[in-house]
Amino acid sequence: DAGVIQSPRHEVTEMGQEVTLRCKPISGHDYLFWYRQTMMRGLELLIYFNNNVPIDDSGMPEDRFSAKMPNASFSTLKIQPSEPRDSAVYFCASSLGGPWGKNIQYFGAGTRLSVL
Amino acid sequence: EDQVTQSPEALRLQEGESSSLNCSYTVSGLRGLFWYRQDPGKGPEFLFTLYSAGEEKEKERLKATLTKKESFLHITAPKPEDSATYLCAVQARNNDMRFGAGTRLTVKP
Repeated sequence: DAGVIQSPRHEVTEMGQEVTLRCKPISGHDYLFWYRQTMMRGLELLIYFNNNVPIDDSGMPEDRFSAKMPNASFSTLKIQPSEPRDSAVYFCASSLGGPWGKNIQYFGAGTRLSVL
Repeated sequence: EDQVTQSPEALRLQEGESSSLNCSYTVSGLRGLFWYRQDPGKGPEFLFTLYSAGEEKEKERLKATLTKKESFLHITAPKPEDSATYLCAVQARNNDMRFGAGTRLTVKP
């Protein structure tokens, strides 16, 4: 398997624009996670899905952020409108089984977002 | 509030010079403590999960230990390829996950 695939790898946009980040999890994995990493706050869990259903979105910073998983092989994280403080590296991860310890999360390479 | 503190922020070692990284935590009911390795421009890569005080796990030159308040990642005779940022994360009983800021390790040949 190619692992978790994220696109684009880099995104530069202007404040107020809509941004869509994409993720393809490892085939057969039933959990998908979206994280954000910044120097100030480190790695933070934004939302996770189980069998395409959002389970916990308590980490989503505000209503400008939304995530969907229309099928088992694709998820999107959308920011509308984007703001400079959204600049960060966004990671997608997937696992087989729940978000707890026995089930290893495999991370994608991330999308580096810069909002000017 | 659950907290995870890693120290030091950065560590420079000579090849072969053993050392330890620290992860101190406060959490309401520990479900698991995780160690990840992150290389520049890549996502975190899973290393270990520890579940209870006294537990130890090893992988090549790395050994992770756990007490009720902290975890150590011991690196024995490190090599330049061990250079990376090492992240610690704790999972509370309610499944909330919190990551530390990481320790950036540089091993000089």
